[in-house]
Amino acid sequence: RKEVEQDPGPFNVPEGATVAFNCTYSNSASQSFFWYRQDCRKEPKLLMSVYSSGNEDGRFTAQLNRASQYISLLIRDSKLSDSATYLCVVNINTGGFKTIFGAGTRLFVKA
Amino acid sequence: DGGITQSPKYLFRKEGQNVTLSCEQNLNHDAMYWYRQDPGQGLRLIYYSQIVNDFQKGDIAEGYSVSREKKESFPLTVTSAQKNPTAFYLCASIQTDTEAFFGQGTRLTVV
Repeated sequence: RKEVEQDPGPFNVPEGATVAFNCTYSNSASQSFFWYRQDCRKEPKLLMSVYSSGNEDGRFTAQLNRASQYISLLIRDSKLSDSATYLCVVNINTGGFKTIFGAGTRLFVKA
Repeated sequence: DGGITQSPKYLFRKEGQNVTLSCEQNLNHDAMYWYRQDPGQGLRLIYYSQIVNDFQKGDIAEGYSVSREKKESFPLTVTSAQKNPTAFYLCASIQTDTEAFFGQGTRLTVV
């Protein structure tokens, strides 16, 4: 089983739709969590950190469920510019930190 | 400005040749990582280093080698033993349990 798993998609949604991505992690020593966005042929860039209490940044909401070991990203009112690959990232503390990236979920927003 | 720099941006390798990809950071981060990304695929971990003079193999280390003689530098050598090296290579640096910062990547092509 992979340490971090995501639905690869692709998700094809119309503009204005709400879309949600989930990411599961298997290591209970996972300590911090992030969502990254990667555009085609570019490096990943931080979208938002994920806090235990949940957090929101404009149209984006991230949540963490430690009991079920998953994080989620909700995008409301999708824009064409939201089309990208979304990667979940987990920092695991096993005596030293190790950063694990999920394989990513591709999103296509269509007019 | 602090950041992470990869060079070159594009690299062409002849079969049987070793090549070295450069990754330098001035963020004073302890940990540095190398990932490989194939078209339409997620990031796969090659090697990572959490401290100077120490590094660990990732999921696909065969055919690659690294060194970490300085905190700022984590070069990756793609050896002739790597039979399918054409890919997008990403370097990241991370301070303990925080977000990862990526370089702009190196596109390696075997000719």
